[in-house]
Amino acid sequence: KQEVTQIPAALSVPEGENLVLNCSFTDSAIYNLQWFRQDPGKGLTSLLLIQSSQREQTSGRLNASLDKSSGRSTLYIAASQPGDSATYLCAVMGGANSKLTFGKGITLSVRP
Amino acid sequence: GAVVSQHPSRVICKSGTSVKIECRSLDFQATTMFWYRQFPKKSLMLMATSNEGSKATYEQGVEKDKFLINHASLTLSTLTVTSAHPEDSSFYICSAVRGAGNSPLHFGNGTRLTVT
Repeated sequence: KQEVTQIPAALSVPEGENLVLNCSFTDSAIYNLQWFRQDPGKGLTSLLLIQSSQREQTSGRLNASLDKSSGRSTLYIAASQPGDSATYLCAVMGGANSKLTFGKGITLSVRP
Repeated sequence: GAVVSQHPSRVICKSGTSVKIECRSLDFQATTMFWYRQFPKKSLMLMATSNEGSKATYEQGVEKDKFLINHASLTLSTLTVTSAHPEDSSFYICSAVRGAGNSPLHFGNGTRLTVT
């Protein structure tokens, strides 16, 4: 059974700092890995999707990496801003159009 | 971009009543939709997978007679919580897949259900 872990559960950083959010998963046989952002009381916004054959994806100030063999992914946020404050969830998909297994998320607070 | 609309965003109902939540894909046809439940400080829990024109596939431990799912068209799936109890109070989120393969999931904004 796939398990996804995100540690720490919460993180507070000053504005402008570069930061890394970690995600680990137990079963390396994944189809893809996705990072999502969730604002309080809202749904999820897809940030980045990394296919199993890829090592990283970039979008603006965000960069996500994937090391399938070690069961790890990182989300790098450059020059953090208060608007980046949210919960970031990592999820892995086991097969094409199969279900996503989510981590519990990391709640990020960027202090002005 | 793809948009998934979920309605209502909040609902309060009394024990024993039923509540219907709608999930619509606004600018694409969604062959598959997923329904999740989220508890505070917990992972999203997949409840069921809904495929257009066929019966939903429920995850283990999810009562299909309590959580009725209907995916009558390629743009609409509904979740009906029947005979609601206070323990059904939760945040319910739907998501839709556009196409197949390595397509990102698009999520609705969720529905906060409170059963009194």
